Amino acid sequence: EAGVAQSPRYKIIEKRQSVAFWCNPISGHATLYWYQQILGQGPKLLIQFQNNGVVDDSQLPKDRFSAERLKGVDSTLKIQPAKLEDSAVYLCASSLGSGGAYPQYFGPGTRLTVL
Amino acid sequence: GNSVTQMEGPVTLSEEAFLTINCTYTATGYPSLFWYVQYPGEGLQLLLKATKADDKGSNKGFEATYRKETTSFHLEKGSVQVSDSAVYFCALPKGDDKIIFGKGTRLHILP
Repeated sequence: EAGVAQSPRYKIIEKRQSVAFWCNPISGHATLYWYQQILGQGPKLLIQFQNNGVVDDSQLPKDRFSAERLKGVDSTLKIQPAKLEDSAVYLCASSLGSGGAYPQYFGPGTRLTVL
Repeated sequence: GNSVTQMEGPVTLSEEAFLTINCTYTATGYPSLFWYVQYPGEGLQLLLKATKADDKGSNKGFEATYRKETTSFHLEKGSVQVSDSAVYFCALPKGDDKIIFGKGTRLHILP
């Protein structure tokens, strides 16, 4: 079974530039998550999709971050414009359903460095 | 609300040493509890879980017992290997549809 795919693996940009990350979840997984993991911390949920609808985006800085999951499969996360404090690893995860009964499967992450 | 606290790292041990990484939680009711592991350069993977009080989760030689009396879910392994070097995250559900993670404990195993 193929895992969660993410690209790119690494990205270096200057502040105020834009960047986009892509995620392809495990086939059949209805729930998709984007997390931000700052160095030395645990993952922080940014946004959660159930199929192509947003379940929770309360922690997403909507003035600069946006995400979509058209057709309920792949997802993209965009930052525009980037700030220095956005430097982090962005993790995508998927699960069959939501909540504690369903384990989340994580992709390898995209490491973003903002200079 | 639900929260989890785990011991700060890094933890450095010699190969074949006994490992304990402490995790305590605050929760309404008795939610499932999880340990995730993140190997260098990879995403998080579910290591083990326990779904109710007194359950013991186990995988790859690691164990954790869900203890409601002490609200703890400590991760243990009897004899660690260099390949166990990773970051370990304790986690539990928050609400019906989210999981929250501890800050992570980095483990270094020396040959």
